[in-house]
Amino acid sequence: EPEVTQTPSHQVTQMGQEVILRCVPISNHLYFYWYRQILGQKVEFLVSFYNNEISEKSEIFDDQFSVERPDGSNFTLKIRSTKLEDSAMYFCASTNTGYGYTFGSGTRLTVV
Amino acid sequence: AQRVTQPEKLLSVFKGAPVELKCNYSYSGSPELFWYVQYSRQRLQLLLRHISRESIKGFTADLNKGETSFHLKKPFAQEEDSAMYYCALGSYNTDKLIFGTGTRLQVFP
Repeated sequence: EPEVTQTPSHQVTQMGQEVILRCVPISNHLYFYWYRQILGQKVEFLVSFYNNEISEKSEIFDDQFSVERPDGSNFTLKIRSTKLEDSAMYFCASTNTGYGYTFGSGTRLTVV
Repeated sequence: AQRVTQPEKLLSVFKGAPVELKCNYSYSGSPELFWYVQYSRQRLQLLLRHISRESIKGFTADLNKGETSFHLKKPFAQEEDSAMYYCALGSYNTDKLIFGTGTRLQVFP
C-alpha cells in the first residue's frame, strides 16, 4: 500500500535556527497538507497546498512558515526561525480527492 | 465556528464489551465527518468517513445531524482495538480538517 514518507523522524534544533521538514506524498495525489500536534493537544491544521500554491492556511501558519514542492515529488515545510513553542509532531498528508487523507508517520521537532 | 468535541480522554473496556466513542461537532454548514485511528507509535489512519456508510474492523458511525453527533461504535471490542481515536470535521467548501482532542481506547483481556 502506498505511503506518505516523512523525514527525519526526529529533529532537534536550537531556538532561532531554520528547519526544513520533508515529505514525499503519494505519487498520484494532488492535495498536500501539513498538520501539527503539540504534545498532549489536538491535531491542528497548518496549511493545504494544491496546484503549486497554498489553498488555505491557519492563523498558526505565520510568516515564519513556508511550504514548497521543489521537484514534483517532495513537499517541504520550512520554519525560518524556530521558537520553543514550535516543538510538536508535524504530520504531512496527501489525498487525490480532497478528503480521506493518507498521513505520514510524522516528524517530532524539538526546539531547545 | 467549527468545533469537534470528544468528551472522553480515556475509555477502558474489557474484551468483548461494546464500545461507543463519543463525538459531537459544531458547524452551521454541511459537515463531513471522519474517524481516524492512531495505533501505538504509528501514523494516523482513516478509519471511517460518514458518506461511505461502511463498517471497518467492526466499527460503525452514524451521522446524527439533529444531535450533531458522529459516535463511533463497535459491538464487541478486541484487544487490538486499543489505540487513540480522533474524530474530525471537514466541509464541502474547505479541505482542512478540524480534529477533536482524541479518546484513548484501552481494551483489557
